[in-house]
Amino acid sequence: EAQVTQNPRYLITVTGKKLTVTCSQNMNHEYMSWYRQDPGLGLRQIYYSMNVEVTDKGDVPEGYKVSRKEKRNFPLILESPSPNQTSLYFCASAYLGGTSGRVNEQYFGPGTRLTVT
Amino acid sequence: DQQVKQNSPSLSVQEGRISILNCDYTNSMFDYFLWYKKYPAEGPTFLISISSIKDKNEDGRFTVFLNKSAKHLSLHIVPSQPGDSAVYFCAASWGTSYGKLTFGQGTILTVHP
Repeated sequence: EAQVTQNPRYLITVTGKKLTVTCSQNMNHEYMSWYRQDPGLGLRQIYYSMNVEVTDKGDVPEGYKVSRKEKRNFPLILESPSPNQTSLYFCASAYLGGTSGRVNEQYFGPGTRLTVT
Repeated sequence: DQQVKQNSPSLSVQEGRISILNCDYTNSMFDYFLWYKKYPAEGPTFLISISSIKDKNEDGRFTVFLNKSAKHLSLHIVPSQPGDSAVYFCAASWGTSYGKLTFGQGTILTVHP
């Protein structure tokens, strides 16, 4: 089954304790991205990756790190989490196809709800 | 600065009628637009997209209209069904930064039987 998986699904942690949220896709997609969803703010892009070893900042990258060492995995790292990073996080992947190579249909994971106290 | 705005937080429609969801953008560089639907406790799913070289794109019950001069796009759902009840997000990207997507705040659509 084609899917994007995220782990963990739920996480409660304390300020300053480093954590990693994993994301994996089995569709051989070039593109992967991380978003956070907050009430009243919608979805905001954190980082994205056009291919292995190619990453770039989205609209809200501060406080986050990513790496893309393999095509299927795109972990999100919070080196020193703070309460303002409490949010619902989504990972997504997409095929860069067609003549435009545009990011079109993204497949999203089920989300990771993170609480930082 | 919110470059993509969905000014209606919610919309309520009767089953069988048309649902019109609106989205405005401020960055004139945006040239590709998408709509996603999200059910509670799930990730968003792609609905439909449109390039700035077009002003309309249809896919079944879903039609997206783009008015570049007004920097406005809308999603029409005809006829609306109770299963369409969800949060709808519009998103935009542009040119050489096409991997970077900016989403709106979302509109909660409720379709009443």
